[in-house]
Amino acid sequence: EVQLLESGGGLVQPGGSLRLSCAASGFTLSSYAMSWVRQAPGKGLEWVSGIRGGGDSTYYAGSVKGRFTISRDNSKNTLYLRMNSLRAEDTAVYYCASHPATGQWLVDYWGQGTLVTVSS
Amino acid sequence: QLVLTQSPSASASLGASVKLTCTLSSGHSSYAIAWHQQQPEKGPRYLMKFNSDGSHSKGDGIPDRFSGSSSGAERYLTISSLQSEDEADYYCQTWGTGIHVVFGGGTKLTVL
Repeated sequence: EVQLLESGGGLVQPGGSLRLSCAASGFTLSSYAMSWVRQAPGKGLEWVSGIRGGGDSTYYAGSVKGRFTISRDNSKNTLYLRMNSLRAEDTAVYYCASHPATGQWLVDYWGQGTLVTVSS
Repeated sequence: QLVLTQSPSASASLGASVKLTCTLSSGHSSYAIAWHQQQPEKGPRYLMKFNSDGSHSKGDGIPDRFSGSSSGAERYLTISSLQSEDEADYYCQTWGTGIHVVFGGGTKLTVL
């Protein structure tokens, strides 16, 4: 059974940093493309960043490019999102999402989310 | 530009059927999409992938009450025999070269 478990969210001041983790089980994370998707309070889903399976190509939404870094530790089967220079508008629930082996960026599994609040 | 458009809200009665619409932007009418359900205070759940040729695949444990269809640039999610737990937000999602993941704005479904 595929499971994605996020952690690392919390309250951080504007300009601060945070690292989110997503522990995967039921599949080998390194073989699959993975993404982070966020949802601001009362808003819809917004794709933030993705990493291609089988390699290290990474992709970012314009709103986070240069501030966020996606990575993974294959030995721990864990995906990360390093977030720097955080702004109030980054406040959201952050979801880890997986994509199928076909290489399509279809989201087929979701984590339960971790809340990031950026506020002074 | 690859954009998905959804109506903000829909409603239908318990036991009835409802058809939700997701419209692909001009020039992208052949794209496949996925449907996701987000119940109140929960994370999203993948429902199904729907291709423009009518082929589809469902996520784990998704009941037959959920089905997909299409016409031109429009993709539909039909939920039959509505149950109270179907009250949720429904998002369509697609992907493209260099665009990766795109979501529609979501439709809030109310079961009356």
